[in-house]
Amino acid sequence: GAVVSQHPSWVICKSGTSVKIECRSLDFQATTMFWYRQFPKQSLMLMATSNEGSKATYEQGVEKDKFLINHASLTLSTLTVTSAHPEDSSFYICSARPQGEAYNEQFFGPGTRLTVL
Amino acid sequence: QKEVEQDPGPLSVPEGAIVSLNCTYSNSAFQYFMWYRQYSRKGPELLMYTYSSGNKEDGRFTAQVDKSSKYISLFIRDSQPSDSATYLCAMSRSTSGTYKYIFGTGTRLKVLA
Repeated sequence: GAVVSQHPSWVICKSGTSVKIECRSLDFQATTMFWYRQFPKQSLMLMATSNEGSKATYEQGVEKDKFLINHASLTLSTLTVTSAHPEDSSFYICSARPQGEAYNEQFFGPGTRLTVL
Repeated sequence: QKEVEQDPGPLSVPEGAIVSLNCTYSNSAFQYFMWYRQYSRKGPELLMYTYSSGNKEDGRFTAQVDKSSKYISLFIRDSQPSDSATYLCAMSRSTSGTYKYIFGTGTRLKVLA
């Protein structure tokens, strides 16, 4: 149980285009989903917290107009990287927190590798 | 100063060795402590989850938390080549009602056959 999927697993795009990444909780409902970014040999950095039906909360230094997050249902959140540039190339990982859980455990997706040419 | 400090390694050990991985933290507000294993180009996989000082054991893995010293450890007994991965510590605290995770940089472990 508690499986989180991401699609696509990897994507290559041209500079200036937009890319959408999907995060799905497959066997549970998630009120809250999180988006992280991980550069090579570095740790996961939280980009934003997404709550179903409301606007995402972005971490300091993360441009909300560049990284659009939508959490339209209890099982799906999307991250759109708009006008992507080579410096946006990274490993993007989502996590989901089950609805109603008393603690704060997050279940992580397998990640999406984005390469911007 | 980072909130969570972790030696990035790499750490190389022979098969069968006991591995000790550590993290220190500065914010006493952290309430939950986790250890994740991450293979190359994969998402993190939860190994251990604790919320109080003391030890927690699960198979070959033991997590230790010392809140007074702001120090957590993960021990791996009888290490195997398949344990070769990056090990990330993570801690969480409530921020405006949401528990956010703060990760360490990760320690790369290589277990030699």
